[in-house]
Amino acid sequence: AQSVTQLGSHVSVSEGALVLLRCNYSSSVPPYLFWYVQYPNQGLQLLLKYTTGATLVKGINGFEAEFKKSETSFHLTKPSAHMSDAAEYFCAVSGPNSGYALNFGKGTSLLVTP
Amino acid sequence: GAGVSQSPRYKVAKRGQDVALRCDPISGHVSLFWYQQALGQGPEFLTYFQNEAQLDKSGLPSDRFFAERPEGSVSTLKIQRTQQEDSAVYLCASSLAGTRTYNEQFFGPGTRLTVL
Repeated sequence: AQSVTQLGSHVSVSEGALVLLRCNYSSSVPPYLFWYVQYPNQGLQLLLKYTTGATLVKGINGFEAEFKKSETSFHLTKPSAHMSDAAEYFCAVSGPNSGYALNFGKGTSLLVTP
Repeated sequence: GAGVSQSPRYKVAKRGQDVALRCDPISGHVSLFWYQQALGQGPEFLTYFQNEAQLDKSGLPSDRFFAERPEGSVSTLKIQRTQQEDSAVYLCASSLAGTRTYNEQFFGPGTRLTVL
């Protein structure tokens, strides 16, 4: 079975500050890991993904994440927060055993203050 | 259309009514997934199809939930005798390849179901 745990249901940062959203995974097989963003009343948008290869992956809007097998983590970071980054962020895991269906975390709501 | 579409976008049902939610995947996409997102929660997997074959329905919460994709394109999620706990946003996603290889899933906007 595969699962993810997102630490912190709400994170608040100041505009211009570092964004760090935490995600730990559990998987018995090499995982495929994802971060999605959901703006209010909108669908899910893929920010970035790790499948194989380079463990530091860059996504859209200046976000990046690093796959750390030893820590079973896939934390999402952005050096400088913008007001427009305020949204709900979901970490997810999948793999071939489940037909690549996604198992999502509970989400982290990011608030950006002026 | 260019993306995944779902209809209706909003549905209000009285408890005990049957509902049908439609998903139109991106043309040519082989795989189709349904997820349920309760308020304040992450999406949870319900079922997936490869063409018309339903390969996994382990996430369907009860036998009141039924999904089909008879021609390998449009899919319908049906909920019989709706209950208040069925209130959620139902998300559909499609991907180009079959479920033996990874391809990005593209999500529709969802159908928000409210059961009174």
